[in-house]
Amino acid sequence: SQELEQSPQSLIVQEGKNLTINCTSSKTLYGLYWYKQKYGEGLIFLMMLQKGGEEKSHEKITAKLDEKKQQSSLHITASQPSHAGIYLCGAYIIQGAQKLVFGQGTRLTINP
Amino acid sequence: GAVVSQHPSRVICKSGTSVKIECRSLDFQATTMFWYRQFPKQSLMLMATSNEGSKATYEQGVEKDKFLINHASLTLSTLTVTSAHPEDSSFYICSASFRWGNTEAFFGQGTRLTVV
Repeated sequence: SQELEQSPQSLIVQEGKNLTINCTSSKTLYGLYWYKQKYGEGLIFLMMLQKGGEEKSHEKITAKLDEKKQQSSLHITASQPSHAGIYLCGAYIIQGAQKLVFGQGTRLTINP
Repeated sequence: GAVVSQHPSRVICKSGTSVKIECRSLDFQATTMFWYRQFPKQSLMLMATSNEGSKATYEQGVEKDKFLINHASLTLSTLTVTSAHPEDSSFYICSASFRWGNTEAFFGQGTRLTVV
């Protein structure tokens, strides 16, 4: 989706290292979601952020939404092989109608 | 959490035939459902937004006559791929929500369509 710019599109890190994925929009985001997916399979919900400045953590994954609600980051600490997959940021935007759109995705590979 | 059931998970059809994909919210009333298409190694591309009882809103470039969407009830939306061709082969996934923007969006398991 051009409404959401996600970066990087591909990321290879060594096991144990930290990493960050970013999601940026020129529009105000009404609800920002992070999902994980294996291609051809369903989406695994990670976190939802709604308020500007909000930060949530689950196990080794932390997500933040900036004060303007236009940028979010997903940070993984001490990465493990189980973190490998495709990470998608999604958000509700208003563009004519109300829409739930997604960024391009980040393919994360964890090397042992 | 809420459950969205999408059926079938896989379908193979002959070129020229039509295929219907169902998306059901099992334990909540979905006022809005979204349909996505996913190409290999790409993200989810929003095809259309459907609201119960009204016509679907299609994204630019999506043929509404080819991808028919019906949201006849608060628990069921269907996507029909009409006169399917091999280029329609893809992964289709639906999402349902009952409160726009303020709650988790729930996804079906997806449907892998192969047109031969």
